[in-house]
Amino acid sequence: DGGITQSPKYLFRKEGQNVTLSCEQNLNHDAMYWYRQDPGQGLRLIYYSQIVNDFQKGDIAEGYSVSREKKESFPLTVTSAQKNPTAFYLCASRGQTHQPQHFGDGTRLSIL
Amino acid sequence: AQKITQTQPGMFVQEKEAVTLDCTYDTSDQSYGLFWYKQPSSGEMIFLIYQGSYDEQNATEGRYSLNFQKARKSANLVISASQLGDSAMYFCAVNQFYFGTGTSLTVIP
Repeated sequence: DGGITQSPKYLFRKEGQNVTLSCEQNLNHDAMYWYRQDPGQGLRLIYYSQIVNDFQKGDIAEGYSVSREKKESFPLTVTSAQKNPTAFYLCASRGQTHQPQHFGDGTRLSIL
Repeated sequence: AQKITQTQPGMFVQEKEAVTLDCTYDTSDQSYGLFWYKQPSSGEMIFLIYQGSYDEQNATEGRYSLNFQKARKSANLVISASQLGDSAMYFCAVNQFYFGTGTSLTVIP
C-alpha cells in the first residue's frame, strides 16, 4: 500500500543530543512537510520541500534541520539548539497543488 | 501571513444529530484552498473535505459538507448524522500548511 512511514513512534532525547526523525513516502509526491504539534494546539510548520535538494523554512525552523536527498525521504533533525523539543511531530506529503496532504502516524519526542 | 481561527475549543453533539464546526480565515491570496482534517486520539491526520476559493458550489463528501461564505471568509464544516466514531479533533487549514487550533468534538450516545 502507498503511504507515509514515520519512525520511530516514540523517541527520547538527552540534553545536548541531536536526534533524527525519519519520514519515508512511496506516493511519488514531490512536496513534503514537517509539522510540530503541542498538546491542545494546531500544527505549526517547521520545514517544507517542494522538490529534491531544495527546502524552505517554515514558521518555527529554529533548532531544526532537514535534508531532501531523495524524493522518497525527508528526515528531520532536532538539534541541541531546540530547547523545548517535547512535542508530537507529523510528516506529510502532497501531490499536485490543492490536493490534500497525506500524513504519517507521527513521532512523539520527549526529553529524558 | 495567513491566519485561521477556530473559536470552539470543544463541542458536544448527540448521536445522529448534525453539528457545525466553525472556521474563519484571513488571507490576502486571490486563489486559495480550504481543507478540513480529522485527528482521532491515535494522532493521525485524516483528510475530510476540500473547497477551492473559486468553486461556486459548496463542497460535499458523504456526511461532510462545507458551508463556504467567501465574503465573510468563513468555511464551516457540517457533519450530518453524527456517529460515535466522529469523536476527534477537527482542524481547518488554508493553503495546505496554515492550520487552526482545532475543535474537539465529542459525540454522545
